[in-house]
Amino acid sequence: GENVEQHPSTLSVQEGDSAVIKCTYSDSASNYFPWYKQELGKRPQLIIDIRSNVGEKKDQRIAVTLNKTAKHFSLHITETQPEDSAVYFCAASKDTGFQKLVFGTGTRLLVSP
Amino acid sequence: IAGITQAPTSQILAAGRRMTLRCTQDMRHNAMYWYRQDLGLGLRLIHYSNTAGTTGKGEVPDGYSVSRANTDDFPLTLASAVPSQTSVYFCASSDSYRVSGANVLTFGAGSRLTVL
Repeated sequence: GENVEQHPSTLSVQEGDSAVIKCTYSDSASNYFPWYKQELGKRPQLIIDIRSNVGEKKDQRIAVTLNKTAKHFSLHITETQPEDSAVYFCAASKDTGFQKLVFGTGTRLLVSP
Repeated sequence: IAGITQAPTSQILAAGRRMTLRCTQDMRHNAMYWYRQDLGLGLRLIHYSNTAGTTGKGEVPDGYSVSRANTDDFPLTLASAVPSQTSVYFCASSDSYRVSGANVLTFGAGSRLTVL
């Protein structure tokens, strides 16, 4: 089955800096890669996702890149703000019909003012 | 407001007791899931259901059972709780019949369970 590894487990940056979180997956058949953000005490919420027919997707200050050959994908946050502080989870699955997402272990991002 | 409701919000339970965590959604999503969240281990799938009447085992199903009598409800039962089941439990749902966004999960607010 699918296995997703996520690094780093914690990441501290200064406000305005960029942050990068990396994930690798094992199943070459996976083609759907979402990222969820979980603020302290809250539920995880989808912030961005990418499918394997594209290599990069952007949404304002966040972007995700995908390298299918190397089986890794990354979340990039530019111009970080204190409200970006949260735990971020990557995940992977196939993208047809019902699938079970496999999550990474999470990255705690702390943005200091 | 459409979404997922979980109950209880938190519970302290003696080891050996039976406990049912409730999950109800009003979005008519066909798929529902139970995850547990533990520090350093991320979100791990316990059980899932693709449609009413069917269920399946996830990564960590031992000690848990589920049922899916209808589309809206997906309770998780711990038959005899043990301390290792201390965790935060999240119910989630998705509309896997969508052409786009079939696997986008909507999560409930979570249930914090402590087993002593």
